[in-house]
Amino acid sequence: KAGVTQTPRYLIKTRGQQVTLSCSPISGHRSVSWYQQTPGQGLQFLFEYFSETQRNKGNFPGRFSGRQFSNSRSEMNVSTLELGDSALYLCASSSGGTSGRSHEQYFGPGTRLTVT
Amino acid sequence: AQSVTQLGSHVSVSEGALVLLRCNYSSSVPPYLFWYVQYPNQGLQLLLKYTSAATLVKGINGFEAEFKKSETSFHLTKPSAHMSDAAEYFCAVSGNRDDKIIFGKGTRLHILP
Repeated sequence: KAGVTQTPRYLIKTRGQQVTLSCSPISGHRSVSWYQQTPGQGLQFLFEYFSETQRNKGNFPGRFSGRQFSNSRSEMNVSTLELGDSALYLCASSSGGTSGRSHEQYFGPGTRLTVT
Repeated sequence: AQSVTQLGSHVSVSEGALVLLRCNYSSSVPPYLFWYVQYPNQGLQLLLKYTSAATLVKGINGFEAEFKKSETSFHLTKPSAHMSDAAEYFCAVSGNRDDKIIFGKGTRLHILP
């Protein structure tokens, strides 16, 4: 089975621009979660999508948004980029479980976003 | 609500020595607990998970962890460290009713030759 893929792997943007990151989950997985990882804050949960619906949301401003498509692929968008948005953005997929629970997650390699 | 505390942001051990990475959790419901490892420039890889079955959980690469409810701990151990174990390790918790997985700040493991 192919793992979780994320594109692009590296991205450089300037302040004020917007960016879209893409995540393809493991085949058959219906849940996709997004995390922001920085040296100072560690891993912070952004949001989770399950069957095209946002199921959980972290404490990030509205500039951070996401969506999930019918094939379970997910995108996240960051508008009006700030220097502090520079981070590794990780996507994780899980089966969602029989009751919709995520259980363990499988991570992609991440997208390294640098905002200048 | 769930939370995780990892004691020690950096741990150094000699090659061949015991590895002990500490994790304490807080959960209002019986928790699901995980350990993940992250190698440089890579995503996180699941090492092992506790899901209320056996309290001693064996994972990949010779790692294991023991769930101790009375101590609210889930420490990660490996009897003999190898140079390839150098990485960052994350403890994580998830509750029954909340699908979010909450990660600790991570512990960077250094292996000394």
